[in-house]
Amino acid sequence: EPEVTQTPSHQVTQMGQEVILRCVPISNHLYFYWYRQILGQKVEFLVSFYNNEISEKSEIFDDQFSVERPDGSNFTLKIRSTKLEDSAMYFCASIGTATFYATNEKLFFGSGTQLSVL
Amino acid sequence: SQQGEEDPQALSIQEGENATMNCSYKTSINNLQWYRQNSGRGLVHLILIRSNEREKHSGRLRVTLDTSKKSSSLLITASRAADTASYFCAMYDRGSTLGRLYFGRGTQLTVWP
Repeated sequence: EPEVTQTPSHQVTQMGQEVILRCVPISNHLYFYWYRQILGQKVEFLVSFYNNEISEKSEIFDDQFSVERPDGSNFTLKIRSTKLEDSAMYFCASIGTATFYATNEKLFFGSGTQLSVL
Repeated sequence: SQQGEEDPQALSIQEGENATMNCSYKTSINNLQWYRQNSGRGLVHLILIRSNEREKHSGRLRVTLDTSKKSSSLLITASRAADTASYFCAMYDRGSTLGRLYFGRGTQLTVWP
């Protein structure tokens, strides 16, 4: 079955540093997402991306965060100046072709990047 | 806004036993989905049940949905050690856009051989 791949699997960084988390969504998918999961807490939506622009973002996704699809395959999440509270597992996900407001679709998730901010 | 809550938080059973996990949510839904997460791995979609369905089966999985009680249950029959994982319910909020799911904290299932 096709997979969403994420790199790196683990990232350790110092507070205030910039990090870029990378994802390769499934090749024919059109909608891309980032979620995060702080240890022991719920999986939370960060942002959705379609047609080379942000479709929706949560209140978590502040100015420190940005997303980009620099080429036809990669989808990145950048955290400009990391904070201790950014430590979490970050998941990339994608959905195949569908009407944007049709919600009977499952998400395909990558294995995640564990980000540790020291 | 929408919220999902699973119950119990942790469940420990022997192989061959059935495992039942429950999910409650706050606002009306179009569908409810269940995902599994193996330790250190991503979430894998298990099953989706629509709001006009009451029960759905997929292999050893059985999902029920009671929209009047805003609750769902996931039953895994004849559990195996390989079923050890965290299980999450997820749903959309009214007006949610595609892919914006609300997850619960999950139920950690441990199946002992």
